[in-house]
Amino acid sequence: NAGVTQTPKFQVLKTGQSMTLQCAQDMNHEYMSWYRQDPGMGLRLIHYSVGAGITDQGEVPNGYNVSRSTTEDFPLRLLSAAPSQTSVYFCASRQGQGGQPQHFGDGTRLSIL
Amino acid sequence: EDKVVQSPLSLVVHEGDTVTLNCSYEVTNFRSLLWYKQEKKAPTFLFMLTSSGIEKKSGRLSSILDKKELFSILNITATQTGDSAVYLCAVTAPPLSGGGADGLTFGKGTHLIIQP
Repeated sequence: NAGVTQTPKFQVLKTGQSMTLQCAQDMNHEYMSWYRQDPGMGLRLIHYSVGAGITDQGEVPNGYNVSRSTTEDFPLRLLSAAPSQTSVYFCASRQGQGGQPQHFGDGTRLSIL
Repeated sequence: EDKVVQSPLSLVVHEGDTVTLNCSYEVTNFRSLLWYKQEKKAPTFLFMLTSSGIEKKSGRLSSILDKKELFSILNITATQTGDSAVYLCAVTAPPLSGGGADGLTFGKGTHLIIQP
């Protein structure tokens, strides 16, 4: 059972570089989301999607873009990386719009120098 | 703004002890409260609570919700070193706009260390 798969697991970038964090799920879940986890801050929602072609902003969306062209994939793009974006990023998915728990990927540890 | 507060933020106990972790919340249109366990990687789901007073149990772990007092507790009995982790509490609520998907608001977590 693959569940939610994130790649890469680790990445180091220089300030100003761009990159895409990949997230794929094989559970046919409608809802997918991206969180960042920083020490002492808990998990904070960046962007989410309720289905293919539909995305919306979460609590901390600035500096990040998302798209949802298929049910399975929900990539997160950093257009111009900043040191403040150094964090651990988690992708999650769930069935339906509410009432079910989210399932998380193993995370991507991102460092911006 | 939705708010979830966990206490204590960290806790060190000895193997065999019983621990109680707390989670209080202020949420508009509360739908459910979830507990997750996070070791080195992904948070893994433990419980989802929607009704007051009904205990959910899984082995040595149990949890209960009080919707009147707006809190939940997670109990772990006969703790083992494998219980060492960060325990996350989160609440879900539908958007105030009335459409779309439930949002999930996390607390900062309780870092539990079990010493042998």
